[in-house]
Amino acid sequence: SQKIEQNSEALNIQEGKTATLTCNYTNYSPAYLQWYRQDPGRGPVFLLLIRENEKEKRKERLKVTFDTTLKQSLFHITASQPADSATYLCALEASNYQLIWGAGTKLIIKP
Amino acid sequence: KAGVTQTPRYLIKTRGQQVTLSCSPISGHRSVSWYQQTPGQGLQFLFEYFSETQRNKGNFPGRFSGRQFSNSRSEMNVSTLELGDSALYLCASSLDFGNTEAFFGQGTRLTVV
Repeated sequence: SQKIEQNSEALNIQEGKTATLTCNYTNYSPAYLQWYRQDPGRGPVFLLLIRENEKEKRKERLKVTFDTTLKQSLFHITASQPADSATYLCALEASNYQLIWGAGTKLIIKP
Repeated sequence: KAGVTQTPRYLIKTRGQQVTLSCSPISGHRSVSWYQQTPGQGLQFLFEYFSETQRNKGNFPGRFSGRQFSNSRSEMNVSTLELGDSALYLCASSLDFGNTEAFFGQGTRLTVV
């Protein structure tokens, strides 16, 4: 069956360290994968998109990798700050442009 | 420019009633998608509209329906509400169908009692 999985447990990281979140999928061949941030009571906010022919994408302190062989994307936040605390969602493009979403990983950055 | 606007923000309904939620996309965006989000679940895709036509539909019962108007505004309707329909309903707009980046509204929190 088709699945997209993110770490269900909260990730606790010390301020200043690099946070790494994982998104694994099975039985999909997405043309691209996206990462979003969601704060409590609010809608998700787009962060980064990476296409199947791209290995890595960067935006300021954010970096995303996409390994289509492993069927995995890693999302990194370097020099993490308490303000980075949120739930991070990955979404991949399934058939007919429909986005399929992971359940999200809650990231907690401790001062 | 103004973001995606969803109304109402909060709603309490009784089992068996019906409800209509509204979404105004970003000006110029022609694609509107609807999602249901419950605690511990990822966003569950309901449907996507583009140029007043439903282009994609998720795996939800027929009680869930939607439409899009010529100005790209969209509504979704849930009939015969069940307790399990309690959720955050999110609307996202995109420039075009199949476009990459989705812009979300703040959602409508529906509680069915």
